[in-house]
Amino acid sequence: SAVISQKPSRDICQRGTSLTIQCQVDSQVTMMFWYRQQPGQSLTLIATANQGSEATYESGFVIDKFPISRPNLTFSTLTVSNMSPEDSSIYLCSVEEMEGQPQHFGDGTRLSIL
Amino acid sequence: AQKITQTQPGMFVQEKEAVTLDCTYDTSDPSYGLFWYKQPSSGEMIFLIYQGSYDQQNATEGRYSLNFQKARKSANLVISASQLGDSAMYFCAMREGGDSNYQLIWGAGTKLIIKP
Repeated sequence: SAVISQKPSRDICQRGTSLTIQCQVDSQVTMMFWYRQQPGQSLTLIATANQGSEATYESGFVIDKFPISRPNLTFSTLTVSNMSPEDSSIYLCSVEEMEGQPQHFGDGTRLSIL
Repeated sequence: AQKITQTQPGMFVQEKEAVTLDCTYDTSDPSYGLFWYKQPSSGEMIFLIYQGSYDQQNATEGRYSLNFQKARKSANLVISASQLGDSAMYFCAMREGGDSNYQLIWGAGTKLIIKP
C-alpha cells in the first residue's frame, strides 16, 4: 500500500492563528480525504480533496475554515484557520489508491490550541 | 439508529489470550464492506482487515480474522495470541453501496488493553 507522510505530527498553537497540514503520498492516488478526530471520538470526514478543483466538503465544514489544496495526485494540504480551543483534535489524511480499496491513513497531526 | 455499534468501550485481556472485539452493523444495502482499523496511542490509523458482503469466506490477515455473521449483521474482529503491542483503540467501519461510494461510517471504538 501507499506510504503516506503527514506533517507536522503535532503542534501547539495560539488561538486565532492558522496551521497548514501537509499530506504526501509516494504514489499517485485517486482519492484523498481529510478527517478530524476530536478527543475521545471517532473519525469525522471533513472533505474530499479533488485534484485540480475545489474540495468537496461534508456537512458542517466550510472552505473558509478548512481550506484544502490538492495540486497533484500525490499531495494535499489542509489549513485549519482562525483556530479556537474547539479545533483541538487529531487531523488525519487518508487515501484510496483505487476505487473500492480500503482507505489508508497518514500518521495524523495532533493539534492543541491554547 | 446507529449504523455501526461497538458495544465494548474498553477491554482488558491477558497477554497471549485470544480477543474478540464486537461490531454490529445496520444497512439495507445488499452491497457493503466492513473494515477494522487499529489506532495506537500515537494517533495513526492502521488498516487491519476487510470483509465484503458477498465474500463467501471470513477474512483473515495474519493474527487477525473477521467472524462475519451476515444474518446477525455482525463482523467481530478476532485477534489470536494477543501481544502487548495490540493495546490500542480499534474501530469498525462500514462502506455501503458500490465501490464508488467512499464514505465510511465509523463505530465509536473499543479500547483494548493487553496485560502482561
